[in-house]
Amino acid sequence: NAGVTQTPKFRILKIGQSMTLQCTQDMNHNYMYWYRQDPGMGLKLIYYSVGAGITDKGEVPNGYNVSRSTTEDFPLRLELAAPSQTSVYFCASSSTSGLAGGSSYNEQFFGPGTRLTVL
Amino acid sequence: GESVGLHLPTLSVQEGDNSIINCAYSNSASDYFIWYKQESGKGPQFIIDIRSNMDKRQGQRVTVLLNKTVKHLSLQIAATQPGDSAVYFCAERSNQAGTALIFGKGTTLSVSS
Repeated sequence: NAGVTQTPKFRILKIGQSMTLQCTQDMNHNYMYWYRQDPGMGLKLIYYSVGAGITDKGEVPNGYNVSRSTTEDFPLRLELAAPSQTSVYFCASSSTSGLAGGSSYNEQFFGPGTRLTVL
Repeated sequence: GESVGLHLPTLSVQEGDNSIINCAYSNSASDYFIWYKQESGKGPQFIIDIRSNMDKRQGQRVTVLLNKTVKHLSLQIAATQPGDSAVYFCAERSNQAGTALIFGKGTTLSVSS
């Protein structure tokens, strides 16, 4: 298994441009997550999905959109890039729920990240 | 509000020493805690977890201790090796609807030979 894969690894955007960060997992996990990690900080949840066709907002969703048309793919869309979105983006997946009230065990598998710079 | 923090941003140890990385959390209703290791340029990697109904859990060379009275979590690494050098994050699962894991800021562990 490749696990969780993300593309691209690096990207530089100009203010106002748009892009899609791709995330794919081959572990047949129902739960998928997008996090952002700012320098020297922990990860913050942007959006999550509990299964194909179901997505919901996390802690910092503004400026982003997601879709989940298949179990494997969970792309993250930035419509109008802003300097505040400069960050490293991680996609993760899990077989059990990492949400409040979820499973007693929740190992999330993370992708290698996408480093995004908005100038 | 909820927050998960680590007491020290950096920790330097000698190879072979035991390392202790600490974490304080604020939400007494959190029911699940995880330690992640993040090596440079990579995504976080699961190390060990503990449920709130436990005080201690051991893995291979790692032990997590949970003190709910003072809302404190620690990760102990026995016989620290250079390959243990990384940033370590504690994370909690809160009871706030719509949230997944809440991560602390991380402690950078540096192991010298």
